[in-house]
Amino acid sequence: AQKVTQAQTEISVVEKEDVTLDCVYETRDTTYYLFWYKQPPSGELVFLIRRNSFDEQNEISGRYSWNFQKSTSSFNFTITASQVVDSAVYFCALLRFSNTGKLIFGQGTTLQVKP
Amino acid sequence: EPEVTQTPSHQVTQMGQEVILRCVPISNHLYFYWYRQILGQKVEFLVSFYNNEISEKSEIFDDQFSVERPDGSNFTLKIRSTKLEDSAMYFCASISTSGYTGELFFGEGSRLTVL
Repeated sequence: AQKVTQAQTEISVVEKEDVTLDCVYETRDTTYYLFWYKQPPSGELVFLIRRNSFDEQNEISGRYSWNFQKSTSSFNFTITASQVVDSAVYFCALLRFSNTGKLIFGQGTTLQVKP
Repeated sequence: EPEVTQTPSHQVTQMGQEVILRCVPISNHLYFYWYRQILGQKVEFLVSFYNNEISEKSEIFDDQFSVERPDGSNFTLKIRSTKLEDSAMYFCASISTSGYTGELFFGEGSRLTVL
C-alpha cells in the first residue's frame, strides 16, 4: 500500500525562523517519485519540487531545501528564514513510477508565519 | 508559461442538481486527471483519462461521476445528482507523456458548494 504521512498538522513560527516540515512515506516500489506542493490561502496547488527515488541528493532552491533519506523513507522540507508569504498548507505526495499522475497526498501541514 | 485553466472558479448548486466542471488542459498534454479536496482535508485522486477513455478511477468516482473530452481542448467532470458531501475543491491536472517525466500541472481549482 502507498501512504504519505505528514504528522505535523499545524506549525506556527515567527518570521525569520527556520522551519522543517516532515514527510514520511510508505511504498513497496523501488522506483517512485516524491513531491512537495504549496497551497496558499487562494487555494491553488503550486508545484515546489519533484524527486525520484534514485536521487538522494539533497536539493536547495533559495530559502527552500529538501532532505531525502531512503533509509528512513522521509522527504523533509526546510524553509530557511521564513517569511509571512510562506504561510500556506504544504502537501507531500508520492507517485508510483508505473502510475502516471495518480498522486498519493499526505494530509498537509499548515504553516503560519507571524510577523 | 502554459497553464491548465478551470471554469467555473466557484459554483453553488442545490442538492440533486447536475454540475459540469470544465477544464482546458495544456495543449500538447495527453494525460488528464481530476482530483478532489474536501475543505480542510488532503487532495484525493478521482480519475485519470487517456486516449479518450478512463485509465484509472478511485472508489470515490462512482456512477454519479463521469468525464469526457468532447472536443480537442476541453476536459469535463460531470456530477449527475449532487450530494452535500460533493462540496469540495475540484482540481484538474495534466501531464504530457507516460512514464512520468515532469511536473503534474494543476489548474487553480473549481470550488463546488452543494446546498
